[in-house]
Amino acid sequence: GEDVEQSLFLSVREGDSSVINCTYTDSSSTYLYWYKQEPGAGLQLLTYIFSNMDMKQDQRLTVLLNKKDKHLSLRIADTQTGDSAIYFCAALNTGKLIFGQGTTLQVKP
Amino acid sequence: KAGVTQTPRYLIKTRGQQVTLSCSPISGHRSVSWYQQTPGQGLQFLFEYFSETQRNKGNFPGRFSGRQFSNSRSEMNVSTLELGDSALYLCASSLYSNYRAGNTGELFFGEGSRLTVL
Repeated sequence: GEDVEQSLFLSVREGDSSVINCTYTDSSSTYLYWYKQEPGAGLQLLTYIFSNMDMKQDQRLTVLLNKKDKHLSLRIADTQTGDSAIYFCAALNTGKLIFGQGTTLQVKP
Repeated sequence: KAGVTQTPRYLIKTRGQQVTLSCSPISGHRSVSWYQQTPGQGLQFLFEYFSETQRNKGNFPGRFSGRQFSNSRSEMNVSTLELGDSALYLCASSLYSNYRAGNTGELFFGEGSRLTVL
């Protein structure tokens, strides 16, 4: 079945760009998502990309998809302290979301 | 428009009891999926309901069940609670079923119901 992997931790300075990476194993996954989770809260959908796209930009967020390497990344431009959270990558596969372990983004002032 | 609403937000039960959690999807959404989030196992799919029918099921024991009503609201039930059932239970809604083509790709989650089993 599908397996989604992410690095566990990323620390950046305020104002820098953050890049969170994710790999998946099943090329038949149709949609790939990025969710944000703040402490004690649910999952907030940040953006998603259809598997036949290479890139999607939405304000400060840029998603890059390399289908050949099954690699997905989320770039956050001008990272702010309010961006500190856990970021989950997920793949839609056989009708369900398969999530990575989550990447904790720490933003230092 | 209102987002996905889950109730209750927090609850405490003891082993052997049962619990029912409720989810109201975004207006117009007909698909409701449930996920369990624990520190050890991460986020895992429980089941999806679309038009009152279970369309997909994850690898959870039969103690976990759900249903969907004609207004698309969904409930999940866990019977004979075990300590390991302590988790954040998240509900997600979408316009179409995730199990077939036509899904727009947008799945929206609620804030979750945090269950503690003592």
